[in-house]
Amino acid sequence: GQQLNQSPQSMFIQEGEDVSMNCTSSSIFNTWLWYKQDPGEGPVLLIALYKAGELTSNGRLTAQFGITRKDSFLNISASIPSDVGIYFCAGGAGKSTFGDGTTLTVKP
Amino acid sequence: DAEITQSPRHKITETGRQVTLACHQTWNHNNMFWYRQDLGHGLRLIHYSYGVQDTNKGEVSDGYSVSRSNTEDLPLTLESAASSQTSVYFCASSETGVRYEQYFGPGTRLTVT
Repeated sequence: GQQLNQSPQSMFIQEGEDVSMNCTSSSIFNTWLWYKQDPGEGPVLLIALYKAGELTSNGRLTAQFGITRKDSFLNISASIPSDVGIYFCAGGAGKSTFGDGTTLTVKP
Repeated sequence: DAEITQSPRHKITETGRQVTLACHQTWNHNNMFWYRQDLGHGLRLIHYSYGVQDTNKGEVSDGYSVSRSNTEDLPLTLESAASSQTSVYFCASSETGVRYEQYFGPGTRLTVT
């Protein structure tokens, strides 16, 4: 089946720093999505991308749909403590396929 | 406000028992999904439904079943619970036409002893 490679697996950063994470696949996707999961809760949709090359922002978050349709990137600017959590990418083509997540820790 | 709920939130059961996890959504979404989440594996699709009486197998469907008798509910049944099914289970729903934008429930933590 389709697989997504999400990296990095974990990040430890200082408050105020910028964060970058990405997802790559050998398969083409029609949609790329980014979710955040807080401890003990279900994932929440952050950004959805529907066109190759699309760049979309949601507050301090910016995500891009790669031109090849096989990758996507998420950037978080000026991180704050509440950014802590697990970030998942998901590719949509028929069904959604999820990456294994990037665990973000922010030190005050 | 519309929401998606799961019950129970925590469940401990014994190997071999049948277990049913409930999922109820008030979004009036046609699409509903069940995932399991294990450390290091992200979210893996168990079963999904695109409408009443429609059910489909996901990538890890062995040992699980679902039925869809109305729009609001998609219960997940473990026919004979195994220790390998100890996990956190998430239900999700989405609108027709935007099936990839999913709303997730709070999860059920299942332990099989």
